[in-house]
Amino acid sequence: KNQVEQSPQSLIILEGKNCTLQCNYTVSPFSNLRWYKQDTGRGPVSLTIMTFSENTKSNGRYTATLDADTKQSSLHITASQLSDSASYICVVSPLTNFGNEKLTFGTGTRLTIIP
Amino acid sequence: DGGITQSPKYLFRKEGQNVTLSCEQNLNHDAMYWYRQDPGQGLRLIYYSQIVNDFQKGDIAEGYSVSREKKESFPLTVTSAQKNPTAFYLCASSPRDRVNQPQHFGDGTRLSIL
Repeated sequence: KNQVEQSPQSLIILEGKNCTLQCNYTVSPFSNLRWYKQDTGRGPVSLTIMTFSENTKSNGRYTATLDADTKQSSLHITASQLSDSASYICVVSPLTNFGNEKLTFGTGTRLTIIP
Repeated sequence: DGGITQSPKYLFRKEGQNVTLSCEQNLNHDAMYWYRQDPGQGLRLIYYSQIVNDFQKGDIAEGYSVSREKKESFPLTVTSAQKNPTAFYLCASSPRDRVNQPQHFGDGTRLSIL
């Protein structure tokens, strides 16, 4: 069964600090891996999408890395801001996907930034 | 601005009642999706549609029904057969058959039982 596991489940850091969120997956072969940000009571918003051949992708203060050999991805947030408080969801798309109908979603990491 | 609109934001269902959740998009996307989000679980696919007048069951379709009469609209009905409907429901859309295109999500409808 395809699985996506994220760690830690929750994280609290001080404003201005950096943090790294982890994602391990068993989906294989896979087409791409995505990171989403979900504010409380809102829908997820795409941060990055990486194909199996990419190692890193940045979006402002967010940098995602991918190691397809170990089936691990991380999301690094630099100089955190209060607005970064949200859940971060890792999503993997298998190679058999024609579009977005077979995605496997992680349960997310709940990040809280405190002033 | 292009986007996905879900309504209502909050919905309450009585026993034995069917309720319909609205999802409208103006992104000109062919594909639309309905997900259910429960605490501590990843999003689970209920139904998806790749084209008007066609839709497919997802992983947890029992107790739900959909229609796709227009490209812009993909309403979800939670029927009385769904015994545990309390959840956060998310609608999404994307271009069809584009494997590296992320989905756009609406802001969800929270359904509760009275």
